[in-house]
Formats: sequence, structure tokens, C-alpha cells
Amino acid sequence: GAGVSQSPRYKVTKRGQDVALRCDPISGHVSLYWYRQALGQGPEFLTYFNYEAQQDKSGLPNDRFSAERPEGSISTLTIQRTEQRDSAMYRCASSLSDRATNEKLFFGSGTQLSVL
Amino acid sequence: QQQVKQSPQSLIVQKGGISIINCAYENTAFDYFPWYQQFPGKGPALLIAIRPDVSEKKEGRFTISFNKSAKQFSLHIMDSQPGDSATYFCAARGSGGYNKLIFGAGTRLAVHP
Repeated sequence: GAGVSQSPRYKVTKRGQDVALRCDPISGHVSLYWYRQALGQGPEFLTYFNYEAQQDKSGLPNDRFSAERPEGSISTLTIQRTEQRDSAMYRCASSLSDRATNEKLFFGSGTQLSVL
Repeated sequence: QQQVKQSPQSLIVQKGGISIINCAYENTAFDYFPWYQQFPGKGPALLIAIRPDVSEKKEGRFTISFNKSAKQFSLHIMDSQPGDSATYFCAARGSGGYNKLIFGAGTRLAVHP
């Protein structure tokens, strides 16, 4: 497919477990973003990659959250020792580059995380 | 100062009517203001966007009006159609130039036939 692909679509886990969410951006897209969207709210920025470099992680809530993009393509968002407050839709987005002429963000359908 | 406030929370419009959604911001450093449309079960999709040096941008039935002095911008959907029923998010781009967007809380639009 041509869109941003995220897996799994749904993830149910128990409090205290670690989870890894995967994002496969549109082929050729240099910039990759992770956002979190609570029910009834707009997406909230978590972190940003340009190629494999994590340029901004200011939105990560705490040190239980981390992300990587080792080869500049697929990215993984990892949440350690999950808590109920981590339950949300996690969305990945990509854009062709971070230049002002390539501002269009393409969002994936997201991973719905539920922490019991 | 980083918030984007969006209203109304929900909106019901008759087919053929005009839908108007408003947003306000505080940070004068914002330099790009997109609107995203989201259908149930899907991710947000870029609808239309404007820069602060322009007061209005129109694409088909969708128009953004931008008031820099008031720090407000709005989305107008002309001739609203049932297929426009979705949640609409305004957003503003923060410092840095990349797509670190600050989103409003969203407006759920229902267009009745």
C-alpha cells in the first residue's frame, strides 16, 4: 500500500508490561513523527525523526517512552512498564521532508493501546 | 501560550448550508496553519492550509480566513454535503519549521440531508 502503515492495529496489555508499536512510513519519506491522540482530542506531538536522527523528543511524556528509527525507514515506539494513563491512539505520520515546501503530513490509522 | 483553542465542539448543518469552525492561538511565532479532516477509523488527512501572510485561501468549497491581528483563523465549508460529515482539527506549527503541530480539540461536523 501507499500509505503509512502501523501495527498492531489494536494492542491490549496489562499494567507493567512493555509494548512496542511499529510504523512503516510512505516509501521515500524522510521525516517521521509520532503523535498520541486521546479520545475526543486532537493529536499531541511526541517525537520527530529526520532520516534516522531523532531531532525532537520533547513531547515524550517521561522516560518510559522511547522511539527509534535505526535505518531511516521503519520506526518503533516503545513504552516500558505501561500504565493505564498510557491508553490512547498512537499515530505515526510521515512527510517527504522537513522543508517548508513539503509540509503535508500523512497519518497512519494508528495503534489503539489499552492498558488494563 | 502553546494552545490552539477550537470551537464549536460539535456542529450540525443542513445540506447546502455553510459550516464555520473557529480557532484561536496565542503564540505569534506560529507560521503555518493547517486544517485536518478525520473520518471514523482513519487518521487525520490534510484538507487545506494557510500561512500568516495571507488573509484568505480557497480550495473548492473550503476556505480559510485568517486574522493575524486577532490571532484567529476559521474554516468555512460552503454548500456542505453529507460526505463532509467528519471531525475537523485546526492546527498550528510551532518553532523549528518541521511538522511539530499543535492541534485543536476538534469539531465534530454532521451534515444532515
